[in-house]
Amino acid sequence: DSGVTQTPKHLITATGQRVTLRCSPRSGDLSVYWYQQSLDQGLQFLIQYYNGEERAKGNILERFSAQQFPDLHSELNLSSLELGDSALYFCASSVGRGGTEAFFGQGTRLTVV
Amino acid sequence: GEDVEQSLFLSVREGDSSVINCTYTDSSSTYLYWYKQEPGAGLQLLTYIFSNMDMKQDQRLTVLLNKKDKHLSLRIADTQTGDSAIYFCAGFSGNTGKLIFGQGTTLQVKP
Repeated sequence: DSGVTQTPKHLITATGQRVTLRCSPRSGDLSVYWYQQSLDQGLQFLIQYYNGEERAKGNILERFSAQQFPDLHSELNLSSLELGDSALYFCASSVGRGGTEAFFGQGTRLTVV
Repeated sequence: GEDVEQSLFLSVREGDSSVINCTYTDSSSTYLYWYKQEPGAGLQLLTYIFSNMDMKQDQRLTVLLNKKDKHLSLRIADTQTGDSAIYFCAGFSGNTGKLIFGQGTTLQVKP
């Protein structure tokens, strides 16, 4: 158990809908990272937050947004969902801004039908 | 730019050594990591190395870093069937603050 908690574990929704994925980092970790893992794209970095502020941005679509709350948990919002958004979404956390070990949650498997 | 590349597949026999290779392009990468992903599971951090190190050993795992060639390798000694998984190389860029992963190498261990 990495100490990073993601909910829900599985999510099935229809195209055009909006979902929210939640991540609770390890106790004491200030950074949260979001990744999308699909079969054809591998593990893609989406975005990172550090202590409530956006720290780094990757290949995150405009339809997607994220935030980190004062209690350090983070949410990834995915809207106007398309079939191609079906993937595993991972959250990771680390103590610092980066460069320290990042520990991953078990992921949320999103299926868009 | 930031890019991390790995070969996609490696097959070895149980008891042999496995060597998984990775190349990266970002010269500002300060930390380099190896993660393991078993089927249906999340990513487990195996080990990491700072960019000012050449080698790090941790039990059956040996990480070698050639900073000049931007080449990283993970050697698993006495590979076991339980080592079968996907292994990801990742680099943290001090410039961009991004943690970028390779495509992953599927390690198949035959009994």
